[in-house]
Amino acid sequence: DTQMTQSPSSLSASVGDRVTITCQASQDISRYVNWYQQKPGKAPKLLIYDGFDLEPGVPSRFIGGASGTDFTLTITSLQAEDIGTYYCQQFDNLPYTFGQGTKLEVK
Amino acid sequence: QVQLQQSGPGLVKPSQTLSVTCAISGDSVSSTSVAWNWIRQSPSRGLEWLGRTYYRSKWYDDYAVSLKSRITVRADTSKNQFSLQLRSVTPEDTAMYFCARGRDGSNWFDYWGQGSLVTVSS
Repeated sequence: DTQMTQSPSSLSASVGDRVTITCQASQDISRYVNWYQQKPGKAPKLLIYDGFDLEPGVPSRFIGGASGTDFTLTITSLQAEDIGTYYCQQFDNLPYTFGQGTKLEVK
Repeated sequence: QVQLQQSGPGLVKPSQTLSVTCAISGDSVSSTSVAWNWIRQSPSRGLEWLGRTYYRSKWYDDYAVSLKSRITVRADTSKNQFSLQLRSVTPEDTAMYFCARGRDGSNWFDYWGQGSLVTVSS
C-alpha cells in the first residue's frame, strides 16, 4: 500500500497567514493526490483534486502543489472558517490511502 | 444535486455482520462515469478506504486486501442504492462508516453520506 505521511499533525495560525500542509508519498504516484477538509461531526469535503484542480465552489485561496513525491496544500490567506482537519489522499493505486490528517486551528 | 443518505444499525455484536446502505438521489448507481465507495474512519486507523462498486457495461467491485475475505459492496438498481456488508466483525471494526461517490472513475470523492457510527460490542 502507498503510505501518505502528512505533516504537521497540528497547526495554529492567525487570520491572514499563509499556511502549508505537506504529504509525502512512499512511492512515485505522479500527481495523483486529492485534498479534503473535515469539520467535526461532518464528512470530509473535497477541496483539490488531481493534484492541482480546485473543486467548484471552493475558495481560490486553496492551492495544491506537487514536487516529486511531496505534495502540498497551501491556504494563501487563512480565514476563520478554515478551521478543521485536512487530509491528503492518493489515487495512483488501490487501495486508496489517506494521510493521518492535519488539525488546523485559527488563533 | 447529488445526495447520499445512509442507514443501518448503530450496534453490531462481535462475529455478526455489519450492514449499511447508501441511498442515492441526483445520480444513478448505474452511471458509467462514477464509482460508489465505502470509507471508514476511526481514531486508531484514520480514514480507510474499504471498497467500491461500479458499472461499465457490467458490474465490477474492488476491495481493500485486508478486508477482502469479509466484505461485499453491492448495488441495488431497483432502489438506486448500494450497500456494505462486513462479516465476522470484531471491536476493531468500530468506526464511522461513510459512503462516497467517486468521480472520474472513482479517483476523487466529491459527494459523501452523512456517516453511520457503528459500534461492535456484545
